[in-house]
Amino acid sequence: AQSVTQLGSHVSVSEGALVLLRCNYSSSVPPYLFWYVQYPNQGLQLLLKYTTGATLVKGINGFEAEFKKSETSFHLTKPSAHMSDAAEYFCAVGATGGYNKLIFGAGTRLAVHP
Amino acid sequence: DAGITQSPRHKVTETGTPVTLRCHQTENHRYMYWYRQDPGHGLRLIHYSYGVKDTDKGEVSDGYSVSRSKTEDFLLTLESATSSQTSVYFCAISESPSSGTEAFFGQGTRLTVV
Repeated sequence: AQSVTQLGSHVSVSEGALVLLRCNYSSSVPPYLFWYVQYPNQGLQLLLKYTTGATLVKGINGFEAEFKKSETSFHLTKPSAHMSDAAEYFCAVGATGGYNKLIFGAGTRLAVHP
Repeated sequence: DAGITQSPRHKVTETGTPVTLRCHQTENHRYMYWYRQDPGHGLRLIHYSYGVKDTDKGEVSDGYSVSRSKTEDFLLTLESATSSQTSVYFCAISESPSSGTEAFFGQGTRLTVV
């Protein structure tokens, strides 16, 4: 079975500071991993995904994430936070082998202050 | 933006009444999903469909039923609404999740059961 744990329901950073949002997953088969962002009163938008190949994945808005199999992690980073990055971020796991569901973590709300 | 329309966008209903939410897609994707979003729980899968008349339960399916009579439409029914079903409901679509394709989300339906 697949599961996702996001460490920290709320993260607060200063504008210009490093953003680090943590995600650990559990999967019995090779996983697919996703980060989504949700702005207030909107649906979810894909930031980036890992399927196979390069373990460092770059996404939109300057975000990137690294798949670390040995640590079962897929942490999201951005070198310099902008006020517009304030939103809720969700990590999700899917899988190969006929697994047709996406399982989401509980989310991390990112606040960016001046 | 992926062509996903949820209706209604907002609904207030009374306890014990049946409620149907509709998801309509124009992308011809095979897989369709219903999630509910609650604070502290992220997105939890209610039901999903892998084709016309082919559906399966998710992790929080009790009290919900679904139907898919056409590729483009996926209906979620609350047989007898309860206050615990007050939530924001999201529909999502995906072309081939077991190959790593991402899910695209609708704008959500805010349901309040009073």
